Amino acid sequence: GAVVSQHPSWVICKSGTSVKIECRSLDFQATTMFWYRQFPKQSLMLMATSNEGSKATYEQGVEKDKFLINHASLTLSTLTVTSAHPEDSSFYICSATRGGQNTEAFFGQGTRLTVV
Amino acid sequence: EDKVVQSPLSLVVHEGDTVTLNCSYEVTNFRSLLWYKQEKKAPTFLFMLTSSGIEKKSGRLSSILDKKELSSILNITATQTGDSAIYLCAGRAGKSTFGDGTTLTVKP
Repeated sequence: GAVVSQHPSWVICKSGTSVKIECRSLDFQATTMFWYRQFPKQSLMLMATSNEGSKATYEQGVEKDKFLINHASLTLSTLTVTSAHPEDSSFYICSATRGGQNTEAFFGQGTRLTVV
Repeated sequence: EDKVVQSPLSLVVHEGDTVTLNCSYEVTNFRSLLWYKQEKKAPTFLFMLTSSGIEKKSGRLSSILDKKELSSILNITATQTGDSAIYLCAGRAGKSTFGDGTTLTVKP
């Protein structure tokens, strides 16, 4: 299967600072990457869909200016949580597809963000 | 709004039992249904189903899609403690909509 690497796997930051999370497809070109957020004992909530070279499409209720997504190349997408607050503490997961609607989506390992 | 519902929400069985997990979906422009297993970290891919009635198998796990009923099942035979996890299904159009998952606990 395809490999998606997410970094860092965990991060603790102070309120008011920004945190960048990277998602890389290691052995394929990911035309589309998805960013999810997962609270304890809850399912995955899609935050945004990013296509290489274009602006991300955010889900309703997700603040674009707070969660900055960049998909500058076919193997890398980044999510920056700006001016983080304790309520942003969560598990953030990316997934990537080769493209086409009948291809599997593979997940990164996830990033546990704790804002103190 | 797209919706995916999984049942049961949780299930406790003993090793050796067979379990069936259910997933129903209402997804506009539906393309495929995906099953994932989530243990402590991010989900790992199990199956992608696009055609109705064709069973996919991987070891003790199998899954099938019923497009008429807008549903899918995931079967696990001869369960082991290592099968304990949250099983997620997702209906995919351009993006995936996930169900709340079924938490499976397999006791020795």
